[in-house]
Amino acid sequence: NAGVTQTPKFRVLKTGQSMTLLCAQDMNHEYMYWYRQDPGMGLRLIHYSVGEGTTAKGEVPDGYNVSRLKKQNFLLGLESAAPSQTSVYFCASSYSIHSGGLYEQYFGPGTRLTVT
Amino acid sequence: GQQLNQSPQSMFIQEGEDVSMNCTSSSIFNTWLWYKQDPGEGPVLLIALYKAGELTSNGRLTAQFGITRKDSFLNISASIPSDVGIYFCAGQQARETSGSRLTFGEGTQLTVNP
Repeated sequence: NAGVTQTPKFRVLKTGQSMTLLCAQDMNHEYMYWYRQDPGMGLRLIHYSVGEGTTAKGEVPDGYNVSRLKKQNFLLGLESAAPSQTSVYFCASSYSIHSGGLYEQYFGPGTRLTVT
Repeated sequence: GQQLNQSPQSMFIQEGEDVSMNCTSSSIFNTWLWYKQDPGEGPVLLIALYKAGELTSNGRLTAQFGITRKDSFLNISASIPSDVGIYFCAGQQARETSGSRLTFGEGTQLTVNP
């Protein structure tokens, strides 16, 4: 199993450009998450999904949109990138608590995004 | 969202020394998780704790879920150079109603000198 994969690994955008980050998992997890990691601030939740076709806002959702059209994929979109969105983005997935899984989230390798 | 208070922020130790780090919160947690992040990689789960008072080991790592459910600690014994990285605590709050959202600490940067 590849676990959680993310594409691309690196990206540089100019202010105002748009892009989509792709997360894929092959563990049949119901829940998926997008985090950003900034120096000294740990991991902050952007959006998450508890199942195919559903999404919800996390701690820092402004400026981002997400979609979960397939169970194994979770897309993070930036419609108009800003320098404040320069960060490392991590995707994670987990089983639902209802299927016996507890709260263990498994992370992808990250996408390093720079907005100039 | 609430951040966990993780300490220390950084540690510089000699190979072979033991290490201890902890997380505290003013809120009650149902679950505590400890992750390690290597440079340029995503966090990897080390230990998961599900019951107050629980003490769990994974090789040289030992973690405990505090009795009050508001804290947890991680110990690393006989450190080696590959222990270098950032260690994060994460918890699921008792009052959290939306799935398995976690609250993360800010991380402890560990440096091990050979």
